[in-house]
Amino acid sequence: DAGITQSPRHKVTETGTPVTLRCHQTENHRYMYWYRQDPGHGLRLIHYSYGVKDTDKGEVSDGYSVSRSKTEDFLLTLESATSSQTSVYFCAIRVGYEAFFGQGTRLTVV
Amino acid sequence: GQQVMQIPQYQHVQEGEDFTTYCNSSTTLSNIQWYKQRPGGHPVFLIQLVKSGEVKKQKRLTFQFGEAKKNSSLHITATQTTDVGTYFCAQSTNAGKSTFGDGTTLTVKP
Repeated sequence: DAGITQSPRHKVTETGTPVTLRCHQTENHRYMYWYRQDPGHGLRLIHYSYGVKDTDKGEVSDGYSVSRSKTEDFLLTLESATSSQTSVYFCAIRVGYEAFFGQGTRLTVV
Repeated sequence: GQQVMQIPQYQHVQEGEDFTTYCNSSTTLSNIQWYKQRPGGHPVFLIQLVKSGEVKKQKRLTFQFGEAKKNSSLHITATQTTDVGTYFCAQSTNAGKSTFGDGTTLTVKP
């Protein structure tokens, strides 16, 4: 699993509430990514980071923000959760050209 | 951004039959990666192809990259129940950002 831990693994939250998902890695990899996966779709990139305090937007970044204050942690925040953000969220790191994914966080917004 | 289209969306086979999934792009791809995701699991990297016409094999899996680098295929010979899951193709940039196809979900009937 390349030392990637996502937390929480499951979460149910109400519309309009803020939510933060955490991705933790133990091997000091520089690149980290957040993807979302919806039924019938592949993974879509939300945000990524190429170092501490260096982040950039992916293709579906609206409604999400990220922070990386330490190499090992990459946080994804939904400032005000909406039902359209119900999804499975995967964190990934890059080792060479390979991406290694965390176990995922299943988020339900009701 | 660059899109990769994957067909078919679903494939149901009898155990022992062959399976092929195809990935197509309207533009030239710098590389193509393949991932497998078991039901309820996370994507797992299988392989990367970068050269025109490249063919790589992993046991019963054969991966091809087209001569024009606009298409790729994954072929599984004599499927087994352990092959079930969703197979994704993706293109990765130098920053490791990946654009995924929507995947082909394979079910195998024993």
